[in-house]
Amino acid sequence: AQSVTQPDIHITVSEGASLELRCNYSYGATPYLFWYVQSPGQGLQLLLKYFSGDTLVQGIKGFEAEFKRSQSSFNLRKPSVHWSDAAEYFCAVGEEAGGGNKLTFGTGTQLKVEL
Amino acid sequence: GAVVSQHPSRVICKSGTSVKIECRSLDFQATTMFWYRQFPKQSLMLMATSNEGSKATYEQGVEKDKFLINHASLTLSTLTVTSAHPEDSSFYICSASRRQLNTEAFFGQGTRLTVV
Repeated sequence: AQSVTQPDIHITVSEGASLELRCNYSYGATPYLFWYVQSPGQGLQLLLKYFSGDTLVQGIKGFEAEFKRSQSSFNLRKPSVHWSDAAEYFCAVGEEAGGGNKLTFGTGTQLKVEL
Repeated sequence: GAVVSQHPSRVICKSGTSVKIECRSLDFQATTMFWYRQFPKQSLMLMATSNEGSKATYEQGVEKDKFLINHASLTLSTLTVTSAHPEDSSFYICSASRRQLNTEAFFGQGTRLTVV
């Protein structure tokens, strides 16, 4: 069965600093990988996704992620963090289930941004 | 982009009563919908996969008689928490997918259920 590990439960960065959130996955086939962001009490917003092709994917809000098969990683990065980026970030791996896309989530990383 | 609407966003109910949560895909046909549960400060755990016109597939450890799922049309799935208890208090989120595998799952805004 697939699994996702996000080693960092909490991360604090200063506004304007760079950010990297780590994600490692375990999956037998070519993974479909996602990063979502969740604000308190809200649903999930998709930041970016990787299905195939270029291993460096660009997302919304200035985020990017790089798929590294050799390391089973899909780390999320942003060159300069804004205070509004403070939220919970989830990495997920998807698999086909009943014609849809079933996701297995990591435990999440809570991002705090210091002004 | 695709929109998934979940209703209600918040509900408080008395212990022993049942609560129905609706998940609608507003601008596409969702052949499959998924129901997740999220405890405070924890990740999302898949509860069940719902396919239009067939019985839902529940994940291990999820009581199908307690969490009734109905997917009556290609745009609507409902989750009914029956005989709710305080331990059922949680954040419930649905997602919907189109038929193709390589499309993302679109999430509703979630429902905060509090059982008192």
